[in-house]
Amino acid sequence: NAGVTQTPKFQVLKTGQSMTLQCAQDMNHEYMSWYRQDPGMGLRLIHYSVGAGITDQGEVPNGYNVSRSTTEDFPLRLLSAAPSQTSVYFCASSYPSRGGSYNEQFFGPGTRLTVL
Amino acid sequence: LAKTTQPISMDSYEGQEVNITCSHNNIATNDYITWYQQFPSQGPRFIIQGYKTKVTNEVASLFIPADRKSSTLSLPRVSLSDTAVYYCLVAPRRSGGGNKLTFGTGTQLKVEL
Repeated sequence: NAGVTQTPKFQVLKTGQSMTLQCAQDMNHEYMSWYRQDPGMGLRLIHYSVGAGITDQGEVPNGYNVSRSTTEDFPLRLLSAAPSQTSVYFCASSYPSRGGSYNEQFFGPGTRLTVL
Repeated sequence: LAKTTQPISMDSYEGQEVNITCSHNNIATNDYITWYQQFPSQGPRFIIQGYKTKVTNEVASLFIPADRKSSTLSLPRVSLSDTAVYYCLVAPRRSGGGNKLTFGTGTQLKVEL
C-alpha cells in the first residue's frame, strides 16, 4: 500500500490564482481530512469527509472547497489564493468503521504552498 | 471537544526516560486520549491511544489516572531520533458526524547526547 499520497510536494502561486491539492489513499478508509500547519503552530482542520459524497467544515474552512466523489480521493481547492494561505497542507485518513478510530489517522507527506 | 494543555518544550539526554504530561480537565465520558509524533517536514504519526489506566506498545506507554483529567506519555530510553513534536488529543473514537480533531501546539522534545 502507498498509504496517503499528496501532490504536489511544493507549489508557488500568485495572489488570486486557484489550484487543487490532490490527496489519495489506497487503504479504503472512509474518513479523510485536510489540515494546514503554519510555522511553529499546530495543525488546524480545514475540511473533513466521513465518506464519499459527504463533506463538512472544520476549524478554518474559508477560502477552501472540497469534494469527495470516490472513497480514495479528497482534493482541496483554493478558490483565490491569498498570502495568508501560505502554509503546509496535510491530508489524513482513518477507518473508524472497521475497528479503527477517527483519532488514529494516517497522514500524507504534505504540500508546501507559498502564495506571493 | 476537550481542551488540552501540555508543556511547550522539554529537553532530555539519550538513554533517559521522558514523561510528557497532558492536562484535559473537561474530558468527556466517551473521549479517548491519543498521542501523535511529528518530525520536521513530515506529517504527524500516531503513537498510542488509551481510555484508562495504562496502555503500552512497542514505542511508548500511556498512563491515565482514574479521574482521566490528565495523561502521561512515557518514552523509555530516548535517542536522538526521538527529537520531535508530540501532540496530545482528546476526542471520541467514533462519532456519527465525524470528528473535529484539534491539534494544539504540542511539546517540542529535544534529545541531546
